[in-house]
Amino acid sequence: DQQVKQNSPSLSVQEGRISILNCDYTNSMFDYFLWYKKYPAEGPTFLISISSIKDKNEDGRFTVFLNKSAKHLSLHIVPSQPGDSAVYFCAASPTGTASKLTFGTGTRLQVTL
Amino acid sequence: GAVVSQHPSWVICKSGTSVKIECRSLDFQATTMFWYRQFPKQSLMLMATSNEGSKATYEQGVEKDKFLINHASLTLSTLTVTSAHPEDSSFYICSASPYTSGKLFFGSGTQLSVL
Repeated sequence: DQQVKQNSPSLSVQEGRISILNCDYTNSMFDYFLWYKKYPAEGPTFLISISSIKDKNEDGRFTVFLNKSAKHLSLHIVPSQPGDSAVYFCAASPTGTASKLTFGTGTRLQVTL
Repeated sequence: GAVVSQHPSWVICKSGTSVKIECRSLDFQATTMFWYRQFPKQSLMLMATSNEGSKATYEQGVEKDKFLINHASLTLSTLTVTSAHPEDSSFYICSASPYTSGKLFFGSGTQLSVL
């Protein structure tokens, strides 16, 4: 049972354009959501997070949107840069078990010149 | 930011041998560390939660006798893959956090290849 889903395994975006990565979850106990970026043979690096009390969080080129009613979150990267090419994982943490993350399957983003 | 160091970054071993992976929190103390595993083109799957001074908590389907976890200090957790088999070949990643929120910091991972 995949509680966190990223239905797009890959995404290609032109440099300078907006990248939108989507994530859906099924567990209504999740109340903290994170996005991680991962390069091959490396550990994930934290990008941005959002608490369920918010619907938007922005950090530089990265913005995460949360729609609790739809159990959906998205990561917007604008403008996209070639260095953003990586696999992006969304993750979720349930109430009362902070740090025990459930990860999605990842979306490979390719930013082209 | 918090730094988590993992060693070794890759290891090749013969079937039947044991392999130890170390995970250290360099600039913070971690009473809890997490061990994840990632198979190619799949998600990171939580294997176990390592608790300083007490037994680890294993996720369903993870054999505790095969994946031995020791968390003897506030900055070090070890994962030992005992009697490794080719199907144990995977990318193992540890994580920890100085925060009470879900913001985890990850080690660089260990690629294990069992021949």
